[in-house]
Amino acid sequence: EAEVAQSPRYKITEKSQAVAFWCDPISGHATLYWYRQILGQGPELLVQFQDESVVDDSQLPKDRFSAERLKGVDSTLKIQPAELGDSAMYLCASSLARLAGDEQYFGPGTRLTVT
Amino acid sequence: AQKVTQAQTEISVVEKEDVTLDCVYETRDTTYYLFWYKQPPSGELVFLIRRNSFDEQNEISGRYSWNFQKSTSSFNFTITASQVVDSAVYFCALSEAWAAGNKLTFGGGTRVLVKP
Repeated sequence: EAEVAQSPRYKITEKSQAVAFWCDPISGHATLYWYRQILGQGPELLVQFQDESVVDDSQLPKDRFSAERLKGVDSTLKIQPAELGDSAMYLCASSLARLAGDEQYFGPGTRLTVT
Repeated sequence: AQKVTQAQTEISVVEKEDVTLDCVYETRDTTYYLFWYKQPPSGELVFLIRRNSFDEQNEISGRYSWNFQKSTSSFNFTITASQVVDSAVYFCALSEAWAAGNKLTFGGGTRVLVKP
């Protein structure tokens, strides 16, 4: 069964350093999402792509976060500089289209710890 | 704005007991979708069920069943005859048809612990 791939699974970085996460969606899925999940809370959408275009980045802290999906396939989420409050699980998901109700398939996540 | 509330933070049961998880949502949209996801300790969110706002028929799928009531904005989820493998955090989520794309708004989650 096709899966969403993410790497790394775990990342420890020091405050003020740069960090990047990678996501490869299920083949053929046009829509890709990045969510952030703080420990003990539900995931919150950071950015959504339709092919290579950003559909929604209203919750992305743009002063330090950036995301790209250059060829409309895999995606990279970057944080620079990392802050202590960025410690969280970063989840990538994909869906066939961006219609409301389309099932989103989630990857295993990247757990970030900022020290 | 959309909002999902899961009032139960943690539920502990003994194996074979039934578990019911509560979910209350807020939306101004008339067309929306409700989901339940499971998050085991490994961290990956696993899709369980989906319901659209026009279908209030409650169903059973294996050991899972759900009770959708628009009048009270509730979408409760029941695991029948719980098993140790059901131990996980369960999230209720909402997707509104009018919103850009297919954004999921999640509740805070309910941790279920099934003891042998």
